Amino acid sequence: SQTIHQWPATLVQPVGSPLSLECTVEGTSNPNLYWYRQAAGRGLQLLFYSVGIGQISSEVPQNLSASRPQDRQFILSSKKLLLSDSGFYLCAWAGTAEAFFGQGTRLTVV
Amino acid sequence: DQQVKQNSPSLSVQEGRISILNCDYTNSMFDYFLWYKKYPAEGPTFLISISSIKDKNEDGRFTVFLNKSAKHLSLHIVPSQPGDSAVYFCAVYTGNQFYFGTGTSLTVIP
Repeated sequence: SQTIHQWPATLVQPVGSPLSLECTVEGTSNPNLYWYRQAAGRGLQLLFYSVGIGQISSEVPQNLSASRPQDRQFILSSKKLLLSDSGFYLCAWAGTAEAFFGQGTRLTVV
Repeated sequence: DQQVKQNSPSLSVQEGRISILNCDYTNSMFDYFLWYKKYPAEGPTFLISISSIKDKNEDGRFTVFLNKSAKHLSLHIVPSQPGDSAVYFCAVYTGNQFYFGTGTSLTVIP
């Protein structure tokens, strides 16, 4: 069966520091991969999605970037975090028209 | 511009009664709709979906209704149980992307 791993679960980072969140999927090949953010009291905002290795589409211009170095690995990065980057970050995969989410990372930028 | 809207941020229902969660969407070309359930500090979990060729899909206590002319989607939970208390997101799947509403927080009162 397919599983998705996302880490770390919580992270507290100072303003201006870099960020790297990693997500891996097991049990499936060539999944579509997604990064979402849920800011406090708001819905799920699509940040990036990828349909294959090295293929990244950005939905919202911002301080973040994403990379897909391997088929089942998706990384969310930032060179310098802002206070506004705080939120709950979710990785998801989809084979067809159904998305499956990881457990999320609670990022607090201080 | 928000593709999917959930205009009720919260809903309280007595245990055993029906919960009705609503969602409106903007694009009549959307062809696949989903509902997700989310507990705090966890990733959303898939609940039920419907394609645009149908107007109803049922799975146990959960039924999703699609009114294409009104561009409206609803989720009925009957009977409601305390364990159903969570945030519910509607979503559309289009062009390899999933767009989510802002969520409705359901509280089922024992």
